[in-house]
Amino acid sequence: DQQVKQNSPSLSVQEGRISILNCDYTNSMFDYFLWYKKYPAEGPTFLISISSIKDKNEDGRFTVFLNKSAKHLSLHIVPSQPGDSAVYFCAASGVNAGNNRKLIWGLGTSLAVNP
Amino acid sequence: NAGVTQTPKFQVLKTGQSMTLQCAQDMNHNSMYWYRQDPGMGLRLIYYSASEGTTDKGEVPNGYNVSRLNKREFSLRLESAAPSQTSVYFCASQRTANTEAFFGQGTRLTVV
Repeated sequence: DQQVKQNSPSLSVQEGRISILNCDYTNSMFDYFLWYKKYPAEGPTFLISISSIKDKNEDGRFTVFLNKSAKHLSLHIVPSQPGDSAVYFCAASGVNAGNNRKLIWGLGTSLAVNP
Repeated sequence: NAGVTQTPKFQVLKTGQSMTLQCAQDMNHNSMYWYRQDPGMGLRLIYYSASEGTTDKGEVPNGYNVSRLNKREFSLRLESAAPSQTSVYFCASQRTANTEAFFGQGTRLTVV
């Protein structure tokens, strides 16, 4: 049962245009969300995060939007660059029944930015 | 500026052999994690350690053991490797559960 879902396995956009990567979650206890980028043969690297008390967080070309009522978040990359081509993972965390936290990961979306 | 260091980077094992994957972080983080990544499966949590002296099972713990040796080090052991354990293994650490996790470069393990 996938609690964090990235329904698009892949996405292709033109350089300079906007890339929008989507993520849906099912657990209403999640209160912290992160996006990671992963290049082949490297570990994932942190990109941007958002707490559930916010609905938007921006860092340069990257903006994450959170819609709690829809249990949906999205990552916008504007403008997209060829170097952004990577796999993007959405992750979420919240306090579970054991009062612990751990990150729950989506399956990733492979973004290709074409020159 | 090492961050999270994993060794080895590559390993080939025969079925039934044992090995230990090492992970160390120099950021004084409390939580450490071991994941495996398989094609189309995303990152699956094997074991994690919320703090020094504690370990807990993740989604796919069978066939693995872990040891949180101290705050810096968290090792993953395969006692009797199986071909199903062929994967890329990532170690990660977090200062606290509400902060970003930092990953190592990964260990590519092949069991033949």
